[in-house]
Amino acid sequence: KNEVEQSPQNLTAQEGEFITINCSYSVGISALHWLQQHPGGGIVSLFMLSSGKKKHGRLIATINIQEKHSSLHITASHPRDSAVYICAVSSFLIRGSNYKLTFGKGTLLTVNP
Amino acid sequence: DTEVTQTPKHLVMGMTNKKSLKCEQHMGHRAMYWYKQKAKKPPELMFVYSYEKLSINESVPSRFSPECPNSSLLNLHLHALQPEDSALYLCASSQGQGASPTEAFFGQGTRLTVV
Repeated sequence: KNEVEQSPQNLTAQEGEFITINCSYSVGISALHWLQQHPGGGIVSLFMLSSGKKKHGRLIATINIQEKHSSLHITASHPRDSAVYICAVSSFLIRGSNYKLTFGKGTLLTVNP
Repeated sequence: DTEVTQTPKHLVMGMTNKKSLKCEQHMGHRAMYWYKQKAKKPPELMFVYSYEKLSINESVPSRFSPECPNSSLLNLHLHALQPEDSALYLCASSQGQGASPTEAFFGQGTRLTVV
């Protein structure tokens, strides 16, 4: 079983729709990251959060530590939001060492005009 | 400057070639990472450098050899690769060790094809 599960795997929306991507994890974490990757491209960090909620423009990320669940919301979606959205969690690699990012499998979002 | 710069963007190499991937950051980050990503899969951690010292090798074959010449640079030397090593190689950096994790910054990756 994957330590980080995302849903849905694929999501198609019409421009302007409100989008939600979910992430559940089964390990103890220090922080959760939401990342964006365009096809064939590098990864951009959208959010890092360990509690509560963060907002940046049309993007909102929430986390519930007790339920081990996070959501990424996109309001007023646009075709340029089309990308793979990846949930990743930080946990210690070994005591006193660096953090390890464990990635979910990603959600492919397509926003049609 | 919040960029991680990777060169080259694309690389095609034969199985007998020796090549190197380069990664550079000027954010003062002291932790740097190499990841390998196959198509439609999440990135897999290969190596972690902390304060220019190799701290983690995730059982990577010796045909991949990392090097951290200084706090801003990270190289990945490639020798005698196999076609199955073709992938997107991503470099990342973060602030470094501490009580809390910090945001990771990723480069655009090097698309490697082994022929």
